[in-house]
Amino acid sequence: GAGVSQSPSNKVTEKGKDVELRCDPISGHTALYWYRQRLGQGLEFLIYFQGNSAPDKSGLPSDRFSAERTGESVSTLTIQRTQQEDSAVYLCASSTRDRGAPQHFGDGTRLSIL
Amino acid sequence: EDQVTQSPEALRLQEGESSSLNCSYTVSGLRGLFWYRQDPGKGPEFLFTLYSAGEEKEKERLKATLTKKESFLHITAPKPEDSATYLCAVQASGNTGKLIFGQGTTLQVKP
Repeated sequence: GAGVSQSPSNKVTEKGKDVELRCDPISGHTALYWYRQRLGQGLEFLIYFQGNSAPDKSGLPSDRFSAERTGESVSTLTIQRTQQEDSAVYLCASSTRDRGAPQHFGDGTRLSIL
Repeated sequence: EDQVTQSPEALRLQEGESSSLNCSYTVSGLRGLFWYRQDPGKGPEFLFTLYSAGEEKEKERLKATLTKKESFLHITAPKPEDSATYLCAVQASGNTGKLIFGQGTTLQVKP
């Protein structure tokens, strides 16, 4: 079946602009995650959605970052007033609701801030 | 604080030369330890989940093992197509589902 789909695959924008990144999870997966991968660094957790529960936003680095999810479907990650340090690959993953279930990743959005 | 450390950072092997990658972790209650493979420009690809000390899993030339403090990814007779970055991550028990990742080991297998 189809995997996790992310769009756009690449985004170049000017400092100070807002950007919106999209993630389509695997059908039937109730859990959805966003991570950030800076060049040469490990993946950093940003936010976690599980069904209708309140999201775990503990990884969002500043109030410029926000995310929404429509039911158990598409999610968008929004970065307002982008800064150069926001340049990274933003990865989305989804999993079933089972505790300890593996997370399956999309190929990410490569964000470059000029 | 929950933490994952992988070693070595980089590993070069000749085709057929077996070796092991290490993942040391500290976590307040382990729900699962995960191994992923990441190719350049791609997202991480799931390989294994290990849930308790003593558990082992195998897939082709890869074998993952787990103790209470670390996990090993053993690569037997590697081929050039095994070249990739291998990521280790832990998930702590509790309400969060987040993964805590190590920095990865970049493996290059030369023919």
